[in-house]
Amino acid sequence: KNQVEQSPQSLIILEGKNCTLQCNYTVSPFSNLRWYKQDTGRGPVSLTIMTFSENTKSNGRYTATLDADTKQSSLHITASQLSDSASYICVVSAYNDMRFGAGTRLTVKP
Amino acid sequence: ETGVTQTPRHLVMGMTNKKSLKCEQHLGHNAMYWYKQSAKKPLELMFVYSLEERVENNSVPSRFSPECPNSSHLFLHLHTLQPEDSALYLCASSQRPGTGGSYGYTFGSGTRLTVV
Repeated sequence: KNQVEQSPQSLIILEGKNCTLQCNYTVSPFSNLRWYKQDTGRGPVSLTIMTFSENTKSNGRYTATLDADTKQSSLHITASQLSDSASYICVVSAYNDMRFGAGTRLTVKP
Repeated sequence: ETGVTQTPRHLVMGMTNKKSLKCEQHLGHNAMYWYKQSAKKPLELMFVYSLEERVENNSVPSRFSPECPNSSHLFLHLHTLQPEDSALYLCASSQRPGTGGSYGYTFGSGTRLTVV
């Protein structure tokens, strides 16, 4: 069964600190992996997309990594800001199927 | 704004009411979707439309009825809902159905539905 598991379920950090969110998947055959950011009361917005051959992809303070062998991805946030408070959703695509993780709820406190 | 607009943003309805959710996209996309998002659960795909034709219906109860009059508009008609239907309903569009193409899905801001 194609699954996407994210951890932790929620995370609280202080402003300025770094954090890493995890995504493990069993989706096969793998096509690509996206990280979305969802602010409260808004729809998800794409942060990064990685295909099988890509190990890392950056978008400002966000850096995503992908290990296709172990089927793991991480999203690293550097020097967190209050505006980073949101849910982060990992989405893994097979060739004609998309699977969503339940998300990690990140709260950045001053 | 992402290019996908949903109205209303919030809706409270009784179990005997009939209401409709509206979604509009101006991105020239060919596929549109309805998703249900409940707390701490992954997004659940409800309906997929490709070029105004429904291509997928994920065993959604008949109290949810989609309508796609053209490639830019999508509706979700609601009637005799249950309290467990309370959730955030997200509309999305993509260049093509399935995994969405190179740019993936563009989501609207959602309608927060509360059934009382």
